Amino acid sequence: GENVEQHPSTLSVQEGDSAVIKCTYSDSASNYFPWYKQELGKGPQLIIDIRSNVGEKKDQRIAVTLNKTAKHFSLHITETQPEDSAVYFCAASTGTASKLTFGTGTRLQVTL
Amino acid sequence: SAVISQKPSRDICQRGTSLTIQCQVDSQVTMMFWYRQQPGQSLTLIATANQGSEATYESGFVIDKFPISRPNLTFSTLTVSNMSPEDSSIYLCSVLGLYTGELFFGEGSRLTVL
Repeated sequence: GENVEQHPSTLSVQEGDSAVIKCTYSDSASNYFPWYKQELGKGPQLIIDIRSNVGEKKDQRIAVTLNKTAKHFSLHITETQPEDSAVYFCAASTGTASKLTFGTGTRLQVTL
Repeated sequence: SAVISQKPSRDICQRGTSLTIQCQVDSQVTMMFWYRQQPGQSLTLIATANQGSEATYESGFVIDKFPISRPNLTFSTLTVSNMSPEDSSIYLCSVLGLYTGELFFGEGSRLTVL
């Protein structure tokens, strides 16, 4: 089955700096890669996703890049703010979001 | 996006008892799922809740331990049976967006077993 590895497990950045979280996957048939943000005491919330027919997708301060050859994808957050502090999960699936395999999570701390 | 309500939001239970978690969605959805998130861990799919029929369980999860019901398109329950401290986790209801295909999560039910 699919295996998703995520790094780093914790990340501390200063406000205004950029943060990058990286994930690798094992199943070359995977073609859907969402990212979720989980704030303390809440459920995960989808923040951005990418499908294998594109290499990059942006939404304001957030971007995701995908390298299918190397089987890795990354989340980039620019101009970080304290409210970006949360746990971020990457995931992968073949086709739809009904069979997502999640990474182990990255705890992002944005300090003032 | 779908609005998902889970009850209870948290509970403390005694070993050997059972707890039923309810999930209500504000609109009709095709697929509903139950995930488990152990303390400080990632999300693991327990099962797909099928309307009017038995749930489809992932490897490592069985119906006797985690019975699931889904009597209609907008409601599902997950029971955690004969609980032990190892069952202490956050249990999350999720649904597949009807038109977007995205997976949405409820706020979760935080269960502590003493």
